Amino acid sequence: EAGVAQSPRYKIIEKRQSVAFWCNPISGHATLYWYQQILGQGPKLLIQFQNNGVVDDSQLPKDRFSAERLKGVDSTLKIQPAKLEDSAVYLCASSLAGSGTEAFFGQGTRLTVV
Amino acid sequence: TQLLEQSPQFLSIQEGENLTVYCNSSSVFSSLQWYRQEPGEGPVLLVTVVTGGEVKKLKRLTFQFGDARKDSSLHITAAQTGDTGLYLCAGVTWGSQGNLIFGKGTKLSVKP
Repeated sequence: EAGVAQSPRYKIIEKRQSVAFWCNPISGHATLYWYQQILGQGPKLLIQFQNNGVVDDSQLPKDRFSAERLKGVDSTLKIQPAKLEDSAVYLCASSLAGSGTEAFFGQGTRLTVV
Repeated sequence: TQLLEQSPQFLSIQEGENLTVYCNSSSVFSSLQWYRQEPGEGPVLLVTVVTGGEVKKLKRLTFQFGDARKDSSLHITAAQTGDTGLYLCAGVTWGSQGNLIFGKGTKLSVKP
């Protein structure tokens, strides 16, 4: 069974530029998460989708971050404009049905903002 | 805001030693998950504990969920170099669309 796919693996941009990350979850998984993991810390939930609807985006900095999950499958996370403090690994995860079930993570996208 | 505190933050031990890491919160969770993360990879689920007081064993790893469902511990017996990694606990909040909230993790280094 294919795992969660993310691209790109690495991205370096200058501050104030925009960037987008893509995630393809495991087939059939209804729940999709985007997490931000700053070096040395645990993952911080940015947004959670159930199919194509947003369940929780309370910690998403909506002035610069946006995410969508069209047709309830793939998802994109965008940052515009980027700040230095956005440098982190952005992890996408999916689960079959809600948070109580196992979350499968992708390898993440390491973003460096210079 | 629901927070999960993990301790210690860093742990460096010799191969063959035993260790325990802790995960504490003032909040009650419906269940708690432990993940292990290696550099450059996403976290991988080790176990989910659901019932207060529950103890689960996975080979040399023993997981316990506190009676009040607010805390958990992970005990590793006879650590091996392959146990090296970042151990993360994650609390599942209540509700049909509960969130998965992570602690900051314990970075374990097992030296030969």
